Amino acid sequence: DIQMTQSPSSLSASLGDRVTITCRASQNIGFYLNWYQQRPGRAPKLLIYAPSTLQSGVPSRFRGSGSGTQFTLTISGLQPEDSATYFCQQSYSRPSTFGGGTKVEIK
Amino acid sequence: QLQLQESGPGLVKPSETLLLNCSLSGYSISSGYYWAWIRQSPGKGLEWIGSVYHNGNAFYNPSLKSRVSISVDMSTNQYSLKVTSVTAADTAIYYCAKDVDFPGSWLDPWGQGALVTVSS
Repeated sequence: DIQMTQSPSSLSASLGDRVTITCRASQNIGFYLNWYQQRPGRAPKLLIYAPSTLQSGVPSRFRGSGSGTQFTLTISGLQPEDSATYFCQQSYSRPSTFGGGTKVEIK
Repeated sequence: QLQLQESGPGLVKPSETLLLNCSLSGYSISSGYYWAWIRQSPGKGLEWIGSVYHNGNAFYNPSLKSRVSISVDMSTNQYSLKVTSVTAADTAIYYCAKDVDFPGSWLDPWGQGALVTVSS
């Protein structure tokens, strides 16, 4: 299975800050990387796929980038509703696998 | 607008079989796409269990393959997950979601999730 490693596992930032989350794959996955947001008590929600296309309705302050084995999710101008855990997922090969998550807290 | 809703027992005894259903509204399961099950537990994070195509063709996570089956019921616009010989390690929130064919798939939308506890 392809291992997905996210860093950091948690972070605390202020409103308006720029936040960067990294996801590394254990092998080349091309562009087949997705990002999900999970608020407490809720199901994960697709934010970005393949790896830079914003899902409909997702604010433009979210940006995904990368290819191969290293990917980044950037939130520019952190908002209160961005307090959540973010997961990456590779869809290059089955079984699809997820990163361990990055919990974003607002200071 | 497609919505998915999981249903099933919240408590299953060890060694018994877990059965969950996912009901679709706003879309006919026979129209296409893959339909996935994912689970989330504190110890193992998010785990893709498997996906089934509307024609019944299914792919499973090898870690669970011997105990899992996913099937489609077009007459009720539902698909189901069966996990046999459950243990405490199968305690998790189980989600259903629409999937897209590999490679390059993504999971969207998701159901709200169903908590399943394995305990005697």
